[in-house]
Amino acid sequence: SSELTQDPAVSVALGQTVRITCQGDSLRSYYASWYQQKPGQAPVLVIYGKKSNRPSGIPDRFSGSSSGNTASLTITGAQAEDEADYYCNSRDSSGNHAFGTGTKVTVL
Amino acid sequence: QVQLQESGPGLVKPSHTLSLTCTVSGGSISSGGYYWNWIRQHPGKGLEWIGYISYSGSPYYNPSLKSRLTMSVDTSKNQFSLKLSSLTAADTAVFYCAREAGYDDFPRGMYYFDYWGQGTLVTVSS
Repeated sequence: SSELTQDPAVSVALGQTVRITCQGDSLRSYYASWYQQKPGQAPVLVIYGKKSNRPSGIPDRFSGSSSGNTASLTITGAQAEDEADYYCNSRDSSGNHAFGTGTKVTVL
Repeated sequence: QVQLQESGPGLVKPSHTLSLTCTVSGGSISSGGYYWNWIRQHPGKGLEWIGYISYSGSPYYNPSLKSRLTMSVDTSKNQFSLKLSSLTAADTAVFYCAREAGYDDFPRGMYYFDYWGQGTLVTVSS
């Protein structure tokens, strides 16, 4: 199965740390990539790959990790502008892609 | 800087076929090494991967949509396209095109969508 499961919503106090998790069998064979989506905007890649790679322009408060069938996105020192929906994504061995169910992050 | 731009009708009638095109600038589709994807998002919902096509024209479709999908690439125009047939209201969504990079590896490979279009809303209604 290429289904990826995320918690629907999390909240974090300004400046604190929040971790978002993504679970699925495909994560045993492929690293997750993570996308931030703000209302009315296209998703933006924030984290990908083994070494928690960040595209140019993504703050270093975003980091990723993987273990077994679980991938995590951590925001260390969350800022108001980090409030958004976050989606994980992975391929599976058949070539299919799956997006996670999405996590709404609220910064208090 | 690579940019992608979707184009197509905003309104399509039920049972008709949707045709969308994604124009790529700042990079050549024919240079290889990437997959060219379509992704959609139903109103207020999450992201759904539709499928991809390689620069050589080899497609891979989401099994749930495969029977209604056709993707193609036109390297001379630096464009790739999607056709989705037998539309219903359930196909109303924002459609995004996106470039995918990555590779298979052991113990884990990695793939990611590094560039996205701004998205185009397609409404299926009579």
